[in-house]
Amino acid sequence: NAGVMQNPRHLVRRRGQEARLRCSPMKGHSHVYWYRQLPEEGLKFMVYLQKENIIDESGMPKERFSAEFPKEGPSILRIQQVVRGDSAAYFCASSPRGLPGGETQYFGPGTRLLVL
Amino acid sequence: SQQGEEDPQALSIQEGENATMNCSYKTSINNLQWYRQNSGRGLVHLILIRSNEREKHSGRLRVTLDTSKKSSSLLITASRAADTASYFCATAQGGSEKLVFGKGTKLTVNP
Repeated sequence: NAGVMQNPRHLVRRRGQEARLRCSPMKGHSHVYWYRQLPEEGLKFMVYLQKENIIDESGMPKERFSAEFPKEGPSILRIQQVVRGDSAAYFCASSPRGLPGGETQYFGPGTRLLVL
Repeated sequence: SQQGEEDPQALSIQEGENATMNCSYKTSINNLQWYRQNSGRGLVHLILIRSNEREKHSGRLRVTLDTSKKSSSLLITASRAADTASYFCATAQGGSEKLVFGKGTKLTVNP
């Protein structure tokens, strides 16, 4: 059973370009979460999605960032017009369902974004 | 605001010793989870303890939860060099699914 897959693992972009990060949840999981980690920091929640729905985007910057989880295919985190401050590791996690009280989330290996 | 705060920030021990890491949080929680992260890698889930549980074991890991003190501890017994990693606690609050992470404890186990 493959775990959470993320690609690319490393992404280099110049300021002003777009970054697209992909996440395929574990088989049977319909809940996806995106987190961002700055160097020497813990992970910060960005967005929580179910298939075709954004459930909680309270951690997502209002501008330039968007996320989707279509009916078919991976979840995409899209960052438009990247700036140096967007350089970070972006992790995706999935869970089989959302339970009141939370559920174990399984993390992917992350995408390390470097903005030059 | 930062929820889980791990203590100490860094811990260096010898192989075979026990390692204890603590986590404090501010608001009421539904569960608390511990994760391990090797340098430059993703997070590995270690253990989840629910708010109505006080202690949980998994192999060499022992987690305690004290909701009255809003704190948890992770004990790794008989540590190995392979346990070298950063350890994070994460809490789920209220009806939310999102996890709130601390900054982690960086554990070094010297052979």
